[in-house]
Amino acid sequence: AQSVAQPEDQVNVAEGNPLTVKCTYSVSGNPYLFWYVQYPNRGLQFLLKYITGDNLVKGSYGFEAEFNKSQTSFHLKKPSALVSDSALYFCAVRDMPGSGNTPLVFGKGTRLSVIA
Amino acid sequence: NAGVTQTPKFQVLKTGQSMTLQCAQDMNHEYMSWYRQDPGMGLRLIHYSVGAGITDQGEVPNGYNVSRSTTEDFPLRLLSAAPSQTSVYFCASSYAGPYEQYFGPGTRLTVT
Repeated sequence: AQSVAQPEDQVNVAEGNPLTVKCTYSVSGNPYLFWYVQYPNRGLQFLLKYITGDNLVKGSYGFEAEFNKSQTSFHLKKPSALVSDSALYFCAVRDMPGSGNTPLVFGKGTRLSVIA
Repeated sequence: NAGVTQTPKFQVLKTGQSMTLQCAQDMNHEYMSWYRQDPGMGLRLIHYSVGAGITDQGEVPNGYNVSRSTTEDFPLRLLSAAPSQTSVYFCASSYAGPYEQYFGPGTRLTVT
């Protein structure tokens, strides 16, 4: 079964500094990888996804993520953090073993705090 | 285009009561799912459906039932509520395959 690990419960970064939120995954087939963001008392919003192709994918609000197959990682990055980026970030994976339908599985989330 | 809607937004139940959380989408998505969100636990999948008439269990299905009689609707039933089911519940939908899910606004459920 597929699984996702987000090793950091909390990431603190100063405004203007680069940020990284880590994610590793485990699948039996090819992974479809996603990042979502949740602001307080809101639902989840889609940020970006990796399906195939270029390992560096760009998404909403200046975020990007790098797919690394050998390290089974999909870390979220942003060159310059904003205070408004402070939120809860979730990594998710869907295993595509070649047949059948598999669900989207989420990590436990990482709380990002950007300090002015 | 309303996206994914959930009702009610808030609900308080007593132990042993039953209720149905409603979820509807107007995007003709094949795939729908229910998650619960608890502090420190992330989102855990309860049940999902890949099309009308087809449902399957997720990570934490006990105490919950689902059905999918139409493409649009995917209700979640709590047969006999327990305090352990106090949580925020999210419904989501997407096209099948490599597509992102769209989430509803959530239902905050408290069981006393």
